[in-house]
Amino acid sequence: AQKITQTQPGMFVQEKEAVTLDCTYDTSDPSYGLFWYKQPSSGEMIFLIYQGSYDQQNATEGRYSLNFQKARKSANLVISASQLGDSAMYFCAMRVLNQAGTALIFGKGTTLSVSS
Amino acid sequence: EPEVTQTPSHQVTQMGQEVILRCVPISNHLYFYWYRQILGQKVEFLVSFYNNEISEKSEIFDDQFSVERPDGSNFTLKIRSTKLEDSAMYFCASSPGQGYYHGELFFGEGSRLTVL
Repeated sequence: AQKITQTQPGMFVQEKEAVTLDCTYDTSDPSYGLFWYKQPSSGEMIFLIYQGSYDQQNATEGRYSLNFQKARKSANLVISASQLGDSAMYFCAMRVLNQAGTALIFGKGTTLSVSS
Repeated sequence: EPEVTQTPSHQVTQMGQEVILRCVPISNHLYFYWYRQILGQKVEFLVSFYNNEISEKSEIFDDQFSVERPDGSNFTLKIRSTKLEDSAMYFCASSPGQGYYHGELFFGEGSRLTVL
C-alpha cells in the first residue's frame, strides 16, 4: 500500500524568502509519480509540479522545485521568493503508474502562511 | 484552457435523501475520479473510472455510492441515502492517460455537500 506523510501542519514564511514543505512517501512499486497540489482558501485544487520515480533530475516549474531524494523516499517542495498569494494549503500526493486508473493518494497537507 | 466543471457548487440536503453530483471532465481525457475532502482534512480517494467501468475504489465507496457516465460527457456521483458524515467537498478529476508522463489529475472546483 502507498502512504504519503506530511509532518508540518503549518509553516510560516516572510515574503520573498524561500520555504521548504516536507513530504515523505512509502511504496514498494518502482514506478510511481509524485505530485504537489495547492489549495487556496477558495477550495480548488491546483496542480503545481510532478516528479517521476525514474526521472534523473529534480523537477522545476517556475518558482517551484521538487527536491527528490529517492533513497530517503522524500519529495520536498521548495518555493523560492514566496509571495502573499502563495498562502494556501499544499498537498503532496503519489500514484503508482503501472496500472490503469490508479488512485492519487494525498498527504494531510501543510498550511503555508506568507506574511509581508 | 480546458477545465473540469462541476455542478452544483453547493448542495444542502436532508439526511436520507439521494444526491447526484455532476461533472464534465476535460473532453479528451480517459480516466475519471471522485475524491472527497471533509472540512479541514485531507483529500480522500473514492473511485476511479475508465472505459465505462470502475477501475479502483476505496473502502469509503460503499454500496451507498455509485458512479455513471450516462451520455459520454457527464460523469456523475450518486449517494443513495445521505448521512451526516457525507458532508464534505466532493472533487471530480480527470486525466488524459495512464502513461508515465501523463499522471497528473486535473480537478474541478468541487461540489460542497451539506447534509442536515
